[in-house]
Amino acid sequence: ETGVTQSPTHLIKTRGQQVTLRCSSQSGHNTVSWYQQALGQGPQFIFQYYREEENGRGNFPPRFSGLQFPNYSSELNVNALELDDSALYLCASSLPGRLRGNTEAFFGQGTRLTVV
Amino acid sequence: DQQVKQNSPSLSVQEGRISILNCDYTNSMFDYFLWYKKYPAEGPTFLISISSIKDKNEDGRFTVFLNKSAKHLSLHIVPSQPGDSAVYFCAASARGSNYKLTFGKGTLLTVNP
Repeated sequence: ETGVTQSPTHLIKTRGQQVTLRCSSQSGHNTVSWYQQALGQGPQFIFQYYREEENGRGNFPPRFSGLQFPNYSSELNVNALELDDSALYLCASSLPGRLRGNTEAFFGQGTRLTVV
Repeated sequence: DQQVKQNSPSLSVQEGRISILNCDYTNSMFDYFLWYKKYPAEGPTFLISISSIKDKNEDGRFTVFLNKSAKHLSLHIVPSQPGDSAVYFCAASARGSNYKLTFGKGTLLTVNP
């Protein structure tokens, strides 16, 4: 059973650029969520994808967008990067439905994005 | 608006003693609570959870207590081991938006040998 993997692990971008982060979900999991963890903060929910559709969204602007593919892997795209977008971006996979019982979210190691 | 609060940024405990990590929440719709552990350069790892219909859940050295009237939960680790040194995050999910987790800022636990 493979775990959640994210790529790249580190990335440096310039303000105004666009970035794409990738995530492969854990085997058997068809629900993927993305979180942003700024320095000294807890992870903040960006959005979730289930069956290739957005299933819920946190308080993030539209320049944060995502995709889920038929193999359940996912991408997070951020346009017009700002300095405050510098953070650890975490992907989590889970089974569908309520986040409880055996549907706990399993996280990848994250992508550290630095915007300069 | 911090709906899940971990007011202690850090905690230092001697090996073999009990570690108690605390978490408070404000959203009455939260009905499921989780603790995650995070080592540097790794993603958070699920540790233990509790439903709001319970007041205690135990798994080996880890016990989570929930006090709904006080909107407070705590994680007890006993005995503490040096390998437990990590950042611990409290998280919650709510009825009606149970697809997402709301996290606290975390508490850095250091267990000294």
